[in-house]
Parts: sequence; C-alpha cells; structure tokens
Amino acid sequence: DAKTTQPNSMESNEEEPVHLPCNHSTISGTDYIHWYRQLPSQGPEYVIHGLTSNVNNRMASLAIAEDRKSSTLILHRATLRDAAVYYCILRHLSGSARQLTFGSGTQLTVLP
Amino acid sequence: GAGVSQTPSNKVTEKGKYVELRCDPISGHTALYWYRQSLGQGPEFLIYFQGTGAADDSGLPNDRFFAVRPEGSVSTLKIQRTERGDSAVYLCASSLASGAINEQFFGPGTRLTVL
Repeated sequence: DAKTTQPNSMESNEEEPVHLPCNHSTISGTDYIHWYRQLPSQGPEYVIHGLTSNVNNRMASLAIAEDRKSSTLILHRATLRDAAVYYCILRHLSGSARQLTFGSGTQLTVLP
Repeated sequence: GAGVSQTPSNKVTEKGKYVELRCDPISGHTALYWYRQSLGQGPEFLIYFQGTGAADDSGLPNDRFFAVRPEGSVSTLKIQRTERGDSAVYLCASSLASGAINEQFFGPGTRLTVL
C-alpha cells in the first residue's frame, strides 16, 4: 500500500491560516486522499477527501499537487478547537482493504 | 441523529479475565470497523464487517480476540484471557458502505485497562 509522510508536529496562531503538508510519492492513480483529525480524548473525525482536483468544504480545503505526490490540508482560520492530530490517509478505489490505515499524523498546536 | 456509541466508556479488568466491548453504529450503516489505539499512536485496524459477516479480520492480533455482529447492527468485540498489553482505547466506526469514498464515523472509544 502507498504510504504517507507527515511532520510530527506543527504550531499555528489562532485566527491564522494553517497549511498541513502530506507526502505520498508512491500514490497510485486510483488512490483517494483522505484527511481525518482526532481531537483530544475523542475518536477520529472525517475532514475532507479528494482524488485529483482541489476540494473545499465547511471545515477545510484540500490542495492536491498536479503530480499527486503531495497534498496540503488548509485550515483557513485556525481556532483553539482545531488543535488535534491530523491524519493523511490514502484509500484505494477498488482494493479489497476497506479499513483506514493511520500513520502517526501531525499534532497541531494552536496558540492563543 | 445519533452517532456511533460505545459502551462501556472505561473498563478496568484483571489479567486473565474476559471482556466484551459493545458498539452501536449509526442506523443503516452496513459497514462496521474496529480499531485499537495505543498511547501516542494512530489507530490500528482490527476487523471489518459488511453486514453480519466479518469481511476482513486480518488485524486481529491473535485468537484471543473475536468479534460478532449477529444482526448486522450492534457489534461486540470479545477478548479472552486479557493481557496487560491489551490495554488501549478500542474504537468502533461505521460507514454507509465500504467504498473508498465513504466517510467513516467513529465512536468515542472504550478505554480498556488490564491490571
């Protein structure tokens, strides 16, 4: 399975944009890029996903490089509530494995 | 609507005992997943159900672990002869279907402590 690489930790100031990078150099053409986050003492929650084009939703934006070997999750205006571990996960369109394969993620700290 | 619920929220047991952890998925979700999360690590897959059947149990660490979903809704994860290394947060997730674009909804987890 294609793997992802993320920084262990990042810091941001409250009300500023945050760009969380993810490298996936061995991604295949049918791998979807998913982002989940896990707030303290909670289960993970879905943030966004995409295949080739950039995506926006109420939580965040996902910018996907033209060669698809990297992507960036963008939180437009970080709040204290956004402090969490962010996971970048690849999901194969037609593979038999249906589970999410989590790495170590990026611990985002939001400073007031 | 109601999300995924898990009971109990905390379970403390002694080494060698048997435990059952329950997961109530979102109504109508056909896919159900169990994960285990140790401190400081991401969740690790255990088993996945599609309907009543276990479609993939490749993540179960050994035969002390077993899970059922008899009516295609509620699932129970069963651990026999618990060991201290089984201590972790056990997470359940459900999704409408099992495809790559389907969002998984997670419960709050059950924190298992084996003394």
